[in-house]
Amino acid sequence: AQSVTQLGSHVSVSEGALVLLRCNYSSSVPPYLFWYVQYPNQGLQLLLKYTSAATLVKGINDFEAEFKKSETSFHLTKPSAHMSDAAEYFCAVSVGGGKLIFGQGTELSVKP
Amino acid sequence: DTEVTQTPKHLVMGMTNKKSLKCEQHMGHRAMYWYKQKAKKPPELMFVYSYEKLSINESVPSRFSPECPNSSLLNLHLHALQPEDSALYLCASSQQETQYFGPGTRLLVL
Repeated sequence: AQSVTQLGSHVSVSEGALVLLRCNYSSSVPPYLFWYVQYPNQGLQLLLKYTSAATLVKGINDFEAEFKKSETSFHLTKPSAHMSDAAEYFCAVSVGGGKLIFGQGTELSVKP
Repeated sequence: DTEVTQTPKHLVMGMTNKKSLKCEQHMGHRAMYWYKQKAKKPPELMFVYSYEKLSINESVPSRFSPECPNSSLLNLHLHALQPEDSALYLCASSQQETQYFGPGTRLLVL
């Protein structure tokens, strides 16, 4: 069965520091992978997606993620954290038929 | 434009009430979804409509009744809900494998 694991339910960084949110997946077929961000009391916003084109994917707000098949990982990074990046982040894999499998989420806190 | 709209933003209802949640998209997407999300948890899939036909029902209680009047609209009819149904209800639509979410309806059942 396909699954997604996000390492760390809570990550705290200082403003201006590197952001690294980890995601590992299991999939029997080449996956479609996504990162979504959810700000308090809002819906999910698509940050970026991997659909078997380039392995380094650039998204909105300077986020990017690298697909590493050998490590079954799709970690999300941002070179310099901003206070406005504080939110819940979800990694997800598409399993076909309109279904997304979500990770448990990582709450990002940014300290001034 | 990747906008999905949902109304109302907030809803408070008693256990004997009947209410409806509405979702709309004008992106030409042919698949639409309802999710339920509890605090600090990922969204849980409830229903999937593909080409206006119900294609997935994740064993959701019958007090939740989806309806897809046309390719742009998706409703969720609510009746005799329980307090544990209080949650954020999210609508999404998709193009190929990519889902785009609305802002959600925050539901409180008293």
